[in-house]
Amino acid sequence: DTEVTQTPKHLVMGMTNKKSLKCEQHMGHRAMYWYKQKAKKPPELMFVYSYEKLSINESVPSRFSPECPNSSLLNLHLHALQPEDSALYLCASSQANPSGEEKLFFGSGTQLSVL
Amino acid sequence: AQKITQTQPGMFVQEKEAVTLDCTYDTSDPSYGLFWYKQPSSGEMIFLIYQGSYDQQNATEGRYSLNFQKARKSANLVISASQLGDSAMYFCAMRFRTSYDKVIFGPGTSLSVIP
Repeated sequence: DTEVTQTPKHLVMGMTNKKSLKCEQHMGHRAMYWYKQKAKKPPELMFVYSYEKLSINESVPSRFSPECPNSSLLNLHLHALQPEDSALYLCASSQANPSGEEKLFFGSGTQLSVL
Repeated sequence: AQKITQTQPGMFVQEKEAVTLDCTYDTSDPSYGLFWYKQPSSGEMIFLIYQGSYDQQNATEGRYSLNFQKARKSANLVISASQLGDSAMYFCAMRFRTSYDKVIFGPGTSLSVIP
């Protein structure tokens, strides 16, 4: 199983809603990531979890709250978002192989629209 | 500060021809990894090829090869025998081992393959 699964694929929410994005991988990877991607732009790193602990927070507003309940799951809780938060949210995981190569495996993303 | 530059916002290539997508990077870290990802219009990020900073040989994966020139800090992607399905956004990315889990992306190149 070399998949990273993200749900839902599409989400529309109002600015007062609370919603969660979910990400799951069963490859035993020790690092998991959230990226935000606006149209025709590169992915921007938001958070990194390493061994279930938050290791990088790229100064993301507190209306985005990550959670890593276990080594296979990563959530992104959303509350009081703004229309400019509308984007594709990508989850990824990684683990170094014996030769030191450590590539990111990406999920297919959640396309979020904030009204 | 680490930075990735892709100077070609858009490229066209005739089907069955080869094409080179440029990537230059800036880092003072001695240890790093370089990646190329493909993102079709469906949004998924597809891993293509990896080059470690200490690798002596240029990486190859099927029709993809990476022209790594360490002194010039360039890591160009060469796609041989282009196919219509190669039309997509291509992102160059770099992992910083001193920051352990951080991967940043260049601005991307949009490749269109013409029949």
